[in-house]
Amino acid sequence: DTAVSQTPKYLVTQMGNDKSIKCEQNLGHDTMYWYKQDSKKFLKIMFSYNNKELIINETVPNRFSPKSPDKAHLNLHINSLELGDSAVYFCASSQAQIAVGELFFGEGSRLTVL
Amino acid sequence: TQLLEQSPQFLSIQEGENLTVYCNSSSVFSSLQWYRQEPGEGPVLLVTVVTGGEVKKLKRLTFQFGDARKDSSLHITAAQTGDTGLYLCAGRMGSTLGRLYFGRGTQLTVWP
Repeated sequence: DTAVSQTPKYLVTQMGNDKSIKCEQNLGHDTMYWYKQDSKKFLKIMFSYNNKELIINETVPNRFSPKSPDKAHLNLHINSLELGDSAVYFCASSQAQIAVGELFFGEGSRLTVL
Repeated sequence: TQLLEQSPQFLSIQEGENLTVYCNSSSVFSSLQWYRQEPGEGPVLLVTVVTGGEVKKLKRLTFQFGDARKDSSLHITAAQTGDTGLYLCAGRMGSTLGRLYFGRGTQLTVWP
């Protein structure tokens, strides 16, 4: 069983479209994240949810809207896609009460905006 | 603003060589982690260090946390082709709900 699973793995779309990426974790963790990895491999946090509540919201355009229907799911919806949104988006989860705070990542969703 | 500076950015070596990757900051971290990422996959945790001066060994990999908890290093002894990958350091300030800041990574290629 995959611990953190994201769908779709690949997404190719036109500028201006709206798209969603879904994420599910079966680790029983209470905290989930969205990270963006650019073409130079820099991994930057976008959002973090703890028990369905938004706790980290980096400087991300409001075209990006995360939604956490329950602790095991964190989806990312992107409106009016732009060329600069092309990247690999990683979902991750962790257990806040564990001091070491290891992040478990999904395999990533590669978004290409044409 | 890049909180964690990793060096070198790229490293290409022969099997059997030793190497060290550095992760430096002017900020103090409560903990620092090293992840390894392979193509098409997400990063996977290698180690977490939490105490200044701490040294942890994982087979041929040795991780060190600076005394002031501002820097860390990863040393690989007798590199193997299977060590090829992107090595990322990540630092956390404060609680485990705090942000995990990643360095830009070191792309290691080990040739046979």
